[in-house]
Amino acid sequence: GQNIDQPTEMTATEGAIVQINCTYQTSGFNGLFWYQQHAGEAPTFLSYNVLDGLEEKGRFSSFLSRSKGYSYLLLKELQMKDSASYLCAVPGGGQNFVFGPGTRLSVLP
Amino acid sequence: DAGITQSPRHKVTETGTPVTLRCHQTENHRYMYWYRQDPGHGLRLIHYSYGVKDTDKGEVSDGYSVSRSKTEDFLLTLESATSSQTSVYFCATGTDSYEQYFGPGTRLTVT
Repeated sequence: GQNIDQPTEMTATEGAIVQINCTYQTSGFNGLFWYQQHAGEAPTFLSYNVLDGLEEKGRFSSFLSRSKGYSYLLLKELQMKDSASYLCAVPGGGQNFVFGPGTRLSVLP
Repeated sequence: DAGITQSPRHKVTETGTPVTLRCHQTENHRYMYWYRQDPGHGLRLIHYSYGVKDTDKGEVSDGYSVSRSKTEDFLLTLESATSSQTSVYFCATGTDSYEQYFGPGTRLTVT
């Protein structure tokens, strides 16, 4: 089966850099996703890693280490609008996706 | 956006009544999913579909059934609603690249 762990909450200051970690255990691996979810809204896609290494997309980067079952989402130049929950997810067998509990990030002025 | 709508957006119902939630997509995506989201649990997969009339169970399927008679529509039915099914329900669609697109959600309260 799959198991995903993330910190529950994090706080950072506007303009800073924050790293949100995700550890996972899965019987098969088809990549790891990061989604952003603002309060009261639907999740939106941020990134997809299937190979080891860092994927950069603007202020957001995502890293994957398959051997360690570990990923992180790096947010640079934090803005107030980045206050949201960040969810990591892995597809299990077929389309049976498993999401982590989410990390609620609060960006303070 | 994948052009996903959910109806109703809010519903209050009584224990023991049947409830059907509808998801409609306009992007012709092959895969469709129903999730529930609860505090402390995150998103949990209820059922998913990989084509018309092809569905499979997810992590928390007990008490729920689904149907997909057309590519664009995916229905979630609670045969006899219970208070433990009070939740926010999200529909999503997906392609072979695994990326998912989520609908706006339905807030269901079972009293």
